[in-house]
Amino acid sequence: EDKVVQSPLSLVVHEGDTVTLNCSYEVTNFRSLLWYKQEKKAPTFLFMLTSSGIEKKSGRLSSILDKKELFSILNITATQTGDSAIYLCAPGSGNTGKLIFGQGTTLQVKP
Amino acid sequence: GAVVSQHPSWVICKSGTSVKIECRSLDFQATTMFWYRQFPKQSLMLMATSNEGSKATYEQGVEKDKFLINHASLTLSTLTVTSAHPEDSSFYICSAQRPGERYEQYFGPGTRLTVT
Repeated sequence: EDKVVQSPLSLVVHEGDTVTLNCSYEVTNFRSLLWYKQEKKAPTFLFMLTSSGIEKKSGRLSSILDKKELFSILNITATQTGDSAIYLCAPGSGNTGKLIFGQGTTLQVKP
Repeated sequence: GAVVSQHPSWVICKSGTSVKIECRSLDFQATTMFWYRQFPKQSLMLMATSNEGSKATYEQGVEKDKFLINHASLTLSTLTVTSAHPEDSSFYICSAQRPGERYEQYFGPGTRLTVT
C-alpha cells in the first residue's frame, strides 16, 4: 500500500528562523514528488522534483529529493509570518498523474 | 497561468437531496481533472480521476453511484453528491492538469459542503 509520511506534523517558529520539513514515501511506480502550500483554501504548487540530489530553489524555499532513501525535504530560510500554512508533500504514482498526499506539516511563524 | 475555479464555494443542503459542484479550468484545457475531499486538519484524499469524454476512475472505497462525476468538456468537470447525508459534509477540492504536464495539478478554491 502506498504510504507518505510527513514530519513534523506541526511546528511553531519565530520570524527569521529556518525550518526543515520532511517527507518520506513508499509509492508504487514512483515518478516525481510535488510540494504544495495550503493556506486557507486551495493548495498552491511549490516544487516538482524528479531527479535525485538536485536542489530546486525559489526565493527562500528550497527542496531536494533522495530517491534511494525515499525522502524529500523542504527548507524555508528566514521565515516570515506569511509562510504560516500547511505544507503538503505528494509523490506521483504511475502514468496517470495521480498524486498521493501526505498528512501535511502545519507551520506557524510567530512575529 | 493555470486558474481553476469551483462553484459554489459553499453549500448547505438537507439530507436526502443532491448537490452538484462544478470545476472549471479558466485559461487552459484540462484533459484530466481530479476530485478530492478533505476533512478538518487532514490531508487531501483522492476520490476519483476524471478524463474528458470517458468514465471517471474511482479510488477504492469511493461509491460511484453516490459521487457522480461528469467531464463533458475540456474545461468542465462536475461532481454530484447524490442523496447527501451529514457524513458527506466535507471540503471538496478539484484540480486540473495542463496538457503535456504529467504531475503538476492546479487546484480550485474548494467547496464546503454541509449536509443538515
